[in-house]
Amino acid sequence: AQSVTQPDARVTVSEGASLQLRCKYSYSATPYLFWYVQYPRQGLQMLLKYYSGDPVVQGVNGFEAEFSKSDSSFHLRKASVHWSDSAVYFCAVSVDLPGTGSNRLTFGKGTKFSLIP
Amino acid sequence: NAGVIQTPRHKVTGKGQEATLWCEPISGHSAVFWYRQTIVQGLEFLTYFRNQAPIDDSGMPKERFSAQMPNQSHSTLKIQSTQPQDSAVYLCASSPDWGASAETLYFGSGTRLTVL
Repeated sequence: AQSVTQPDARVTVSEGASLQLRCKYSYSATPYLFWYVQYPRQGLQMLLKYYSGDPVVQGVNGFEAEFSKSDSSFHLRKASVHWSDSAVYFCAVSVDLPGTGSNRLTFGKGTKFSLIP
Repeated sequence: NAGVIQTPRHKVTGKGQEATLWCEPISGHSAVFWYRQTIVQGLEFLTYFRNQAPIDDSGMPKERFSAQMPNQSHSTLKIQSTQPQDSAVYLCASSPDWGASAETLYFGSGTRLTVL
């Protein structure tokens, strides 16, 4: 079955530490891959996306993500986090569904990231 | 650019009543998506339109939910006979081009539906 998995419901680190949020997908073809962020009481905003080319893609605010075809993963990273990075992060995939004309965007359940006070 | 506008921000209905949620996509965007967000289920895809045509409604509960896009400037999500389990934040998003390539989705702030 096609799926997007974010295995960590919550991640907590200290300010200035590095961050990695994990995402695994299960699709027969290489999908479009995205990371979105949702700040409290706001809608979602896209951080970055990948389809082809360099497996490491740069996004806004110092975020980057690395695609691994062998591992079916698209992990998000940031070298040094700040309080303003506290949010819920969603991995999402879009893939053509044969015979339907649809390439809907499917989200993982999200990882809530916060800093240790 | 005001972004994607969703109205109302909050809606409270009694069990069995009807709820209509409105979405105004960003001008010029050709695709509109609807999602439902809850703590337990996360972000659930409901349906999407491309150039006002329904493309995929596989996420819509069959009996009480319906979505329309009568013109390029707005879409509605209607829930008949609302039930407490329909309580959620309903998010609308639009995209400038969602065809062969997957472009950015721009989300509204959502409508929080509470069914008593």
